[in-house]
Amino acid sequence: GAGVSQSPSNKVTEKGKDVELRCDPISGHTALYWYRQSLGQGLEFLIYFQGNSAPDKSGLPSDRFSAERTGGSVSTLTIQRTQQEDSAVYLCASSTWWGETQYFGPGTRLLVL
Amino acid sequence: GESVGLHLPTLSVQEGDNSIINCAYSNSASDYFIWYKQESGKGPQFIIDIRSNMDKRQGQRVTVLLNKTVKHLSLQIAATQPGDSAVYFCAENIGSGGSYIPTFGRGTSLIVHP
Repeated sequence: GAGVSQSPSNKVTEKGKDVELRCDPISGHTALYWYRQSLGQGLEFLIYFQGNSAPDKSGLPSDRFSAERTGGSVSTLTIQRTQQEDSAVYLCASSTWWGETQYFGPGTRLLVL
Repeated sequence: GESVGLHLPTLSVQEGDNSIINCAYSNSASDYFIWYKQESGKGPQFIIDIRSNMDKRQGQRVTVLLNKTVKHLSLQIAATQPGDSAVYFCAENIGSGGSYIPTFGRGTSLIVHP
């Protein structure tokens, strides 16, 4: 079946612009996670959605970052007033329930010039 | 091997050898552990998992060992192949108020020489 998909696959933007990254989780998965991965680094947790519960935003690095999940499915990560240090790969993962195995999308490679 | 938060190590092996990738975790409350493989330009891919009530689990060519006493996890790959070349991450899951947010190590780069 279809896995986690993300769009765009690559995004180049200018400093100060806003960007939106999209994640389509696996159908039926109730949990959705966003991570950030800088070159040669591990995964940095950003935000987590579980069903209709309030999201866990404890990993968001600043108030320029926000995310929403509509209808318990598609999620959008928004970065406002992008900075060069925001350049990274943004990964989305979903799982059937919290604590279960996460399945990752291919990521969105963001470059802020 | 790797430890959550430390410098990315590299393991070089010859094709056909067995590989062992190590991971030290920090929280004794962690009860679910996962190994992921990440190839260049792709997202992490699930390999194998293990829960804290087990100390060994086997998959196809892979075995995960868990030593809770010393908080150590290892991934063994039998008869390593060039296609196994990738970065391998371990992740520990810690339940906090009903929210499982895994902690990932920085990974170990496995290079398989033909």
